[in-house]
Amino acid sequence: AQSVTQPDIHITVSEGASLELRCNYSYGATPYLFWYVQSPGQGLQLLLKYFSGDTLVQGIKGFEAEFKRSQSSFNLRKPSVHWSDAAEYFCAVGAGSGGYQKVTFGTGTKLQVIP
Amino acid sequence: SQTIHQWPATLVQPVGSPLSLECTVEGTSNPNLYWYRQAAGRGLQLLFYSVGIGQISSEVPQNLSASRPQDRQFILSSKKLLLSDSGFYLCAWSAQGRHNSPLHFGNGTRLTVT
Repeated sequence: AQSVTQPDIHITVSEGASLELRCNYSYGATPYLFWYVQSPGQGLQLLLKYFSGDTLVQGIKGFEAEFKRSQSSFNLRKPSVHWSDAAEYFCAVGAGSGGYQKVTFGTGTKLQVIP
Repeated sequence: SQTIHQWPATLVQPVGSPLSLECTVEGTSNPNLYWYRQAAGRGLQLLFYSVGIGQISSEVPQNLSASRPQDRQFILSSKKLLLSDSGFYLCAWSAQGRHNSPLHFGNGTRLTVT
């Protein structure tokens, strides 16, 4: 069975500082990996996805993530955080099965940005 | 472009009352549809998914049921709500037949059972 671990429940960074959110996954084959962002009271918005190929993927809002198979990791990064990035971030691993997408989510990392 | 609508945005219901949450998708046909529940600190839990009209699969046993009466309509229901049904419910869709299709979420419904 697939699983996702986000070891950091809460992270605080200063505006303008760099950010790295950690994600480790468990899956037997090559995974489909996703990062989503959720603002309070809202649904989840897809930031980026990895299926195959280049292990460094670019997403929206200036985010990027790097797939490291040897470490079973898919960490999310941003060079300079803006106050509007404060939200909760979810890493997810997917496995296509029977024509649908079976996605398992981590428990999320809440990002606080201080001025 | 594709859009997904969920309503209502918030709902307060007494214990024992029925429930009906609705989700519709526009701009795509024959999508896979999903209902998730989100509890604080516990991530998202898949409740139901559907690959076609009338085809519903349940991931966990519970007090809820789902139906798909039309291609792009997905309904979450309960005959009698429990306190434990409180939570944030999210509908999502993905492209049919594409194993790498990401999920696209609606804005969710905050359900409080009192």
